[in-house]
Amino acid sequence: RKEVEQDPGPFNVPEGATVAFNCTYSNSASQSFFWYRQDCRKEPKLLMSVYSSGNEDGRFTAQLNRASQYISLLIRDSKLSDSATYLCVVRENDYKLSFGAGTTVTVRA
Amino acid sequence: ETGVTQTPRHLVMGMTNKKSLKCEQHLGHNAMYWYKQSAKKPLELMFVYSLEERVENNSVPSRFSPECPNSSHLFLHLHTLQPEDSALYLCASSQVAGSSYNEQFFGPGTRLTVL
Repeated sequence: RKEVEQDPGPFNVPEGATVAFNCTYSNSASQSFFWYRQDCRKEPKLLMSVYSSGNEDGRFTAQLNRASQYISLLIRDSKLSDSATYLCVVRENDYKLSFGAGTTVTVRA
Repeated sequence: ETGVTQTPRHLVMGMTNKKSLKCEQHLGHNAMYWYKQSAKKPLELMFVYSLEERVENNSVPSRFSPECPNSSHLFLHLHTLQPEDSALYLCASSQVAGSSYNEQFFGPGTRLTVL
């Protein structure tokens, strides 16, 4: 069983639309959670941490459901520049991060 | 330079070659990581060095040999690789305080092709 599972997509949405997607994780003892963004042929970069109470960063909203072991990301008012692969990341212990394979989002004009 | 740099950015090698990947971080961090990213697969953690000591070796084949001479530099020595080792190799660094490992910053990666 994969440690972190994501719908690979792609999610093709028009500019201005809202897009949301989830990931699930298998280790109930996981310590913390993140969304990273990876552009084509580039390195992953931290988008935002995910807190139990849910958190927003501009047009991005992240939610965590520990009971069901899933994390979500919602992007409002999509921009062309939001086109990327979004990686769900779970901290397993002090130094180990487990990555999902990513969800691809394409925003079209 | 700032951030995390990696050289070379692209590498093509035969199965009998020996080569090394280099990573350098300019962030003052004290932990460094090697990851492998194959197409359509999640990043796989290969090695972790914290305070220049290896703390994780994720069952990586011995044809991959890491070296961390100081907190700013990390190498991955490659020898007798297989075609399935072709992938993007990413280096990352982070700051460790006590048992707390903070955000990891990634380098641009080395795209390796083994013929």
